[in-house]
Amino acid sequence: AQTVTQSQPEMSVQEAETVTLSCTYDTSESDYYLFWYKQPPSRQMILVIRQEAYKQQNATENRFSVNFQKAAKSFSLKISDSQLGDAAMYFCAYSSGSARQLTFGSGTQLTVLP
Amino acid sequence: DTAVSQTPKYLVTQMGNDKSIKCEQNLGHDTMYWYKQDSKKFLKIMFSYNNKELIINETVPNRFSPKSPDKAHLNLHINSLELGDSAVYFCASSYELGPQHFGDGTRLSIL
Repeated sequence: AQTVTQSQPEMSVQEAETVTLSCTYDTSESDYYLFWYKQPPSRQMILVIRQEAYKQQNATENRFSVNFQKAAKSFSLKISDSQLGDAAMYFCAYSSGSARQLTFGSGTQLTVLP
Repeated sequence: DTAVSQTPKYLVTQMGNDKSIKCEQNLGHDTMYWYKQDSKKFLKIMFSYNNKELIINETVPNRFSPKSPDKAHLNLHINSLELGDSAVYFCASSYELGPQHFGDGTRLSIL
């Protein structure tokens, strides 16, 4: 079975600084997708970024980028120029190419300090 | 123009009751899901369903059942509610291998 591990229950960052959230996963499949979702206090689940395992290039979305290390099964999220609105719970998630349901990590609560 | 909508947003009920949560998506997606988020914020898949296949997480009690009247709807029925069912339930949808879009969640509280 696939597992997703987020080893940082809480992180904090100063406004305008950069922070990196860690995620590792375990799978025996070669075709899969990785995601970062953001859950603010409003409890909405918002897709931040998506990475296809077959793509070597790291995904980026504005201030958000990932460091995808396939051999190490690592998928970290970097948030640049952190803003107060980035404060949220961040979940790393995995889905295989065959089974579409998401397997989530336990989440990292990010605090942004003014 | 809500993409994935769930009703109700909050549900407070007594132990032993039967309740339903409705979910509708207007994105033309082919697969819908139900997830449970417990008090520690851990999210776990309960069901995934498209017009061909229902996949049930084996840890989900059979008191929970998904019902899909059509491709745009996947409702969640819960019989004989227990205290441990208190959680936030999320509906989501996706198209083929695309990303999942989530509803705003339903907070279920059992008295």
